Amino acid sequence: SQTIHQWPATLVQPVGSPLSLECTVEGTSNPNLYWYRQAAGRGLQLLFYSVGIGQISSEVPQNLSASRPQDRQFILSSKKLLLSDSGFYLCAWNVGGANTEAFFGQGTRLTVV
Amino acid sequence: AQTVTQSQPEMSVQEAETVTLSCTYDTSESDYYLFWYKQPPSRQMILVIRQEAYKQQNATENRFSVNFQKAAKSFSLKISDSQLGDAAMYFCAYRSGDTLAGSYQLTFGKGTKLSVIP
Repeated sequence: SQTIHQWPATLVQPVGSPLSLECTVEGTSNPNLYWYRQAAGRGLQLLFYSVGIGQISSEVPQNLSASRPQDRQFILSSKKLLLSDSGFYLCAWNVGGANTEAFFGQGTRLTVV
Repeated sequence: AQTVTQSQPEMSVQEAETVTLSCTYDTSESDYYLFWYKQPPSRQMILVIRQEAYKQQNATENRFSVNFQKAAKSFSLKISDSQLGDAAMYFCAYRSGDTLAGSYQLTFGKGTKLSVIP
């Protein structure tokens, strides 16, 4: 069966520090991968998506970047965190057509102080 | 661009009663899919129900059903016989059926927080 792992679960980082959040998927090949951010009281905002290794599309220009070094690995990074980067980050994947379910990781609660 | 609107930030329902969560969306596409996701306090997003826009019949999954009004661009979720475990944030989401888009990202509403009163 397919599973998705996302870590860490919580993270407190000072302003200006780097960030690396990792997401890996097991049990499937060539998934579409997504990074979403959920700010308090708001819905999920798509940050990046990837349809293949090395292919990254950015939906929102900001202080973050994403990379996909392997088929089932998706990394969210920042060189220097801002206070506004605080939020709940969710990784997701799906395969197949538009009607297929997207599966989400457990999320990372990032607090920038 | 597509938008999804959930006009009810919070709702409450008595246990065993029925509640309806509203969702409207805006799109110029004819081929698309709609979803309701549940996010309990654990924060894990779970698919509740999905609807294909080309299907006239409303989707049903056990106690969960939708009222899909394509012309009105409305997609409400009805929860029957509400249970304490139904308490969660509920998100309505849209996905384009455009296979040329290369990906199938979801556009989410801001969510409705549902409380279930014992």
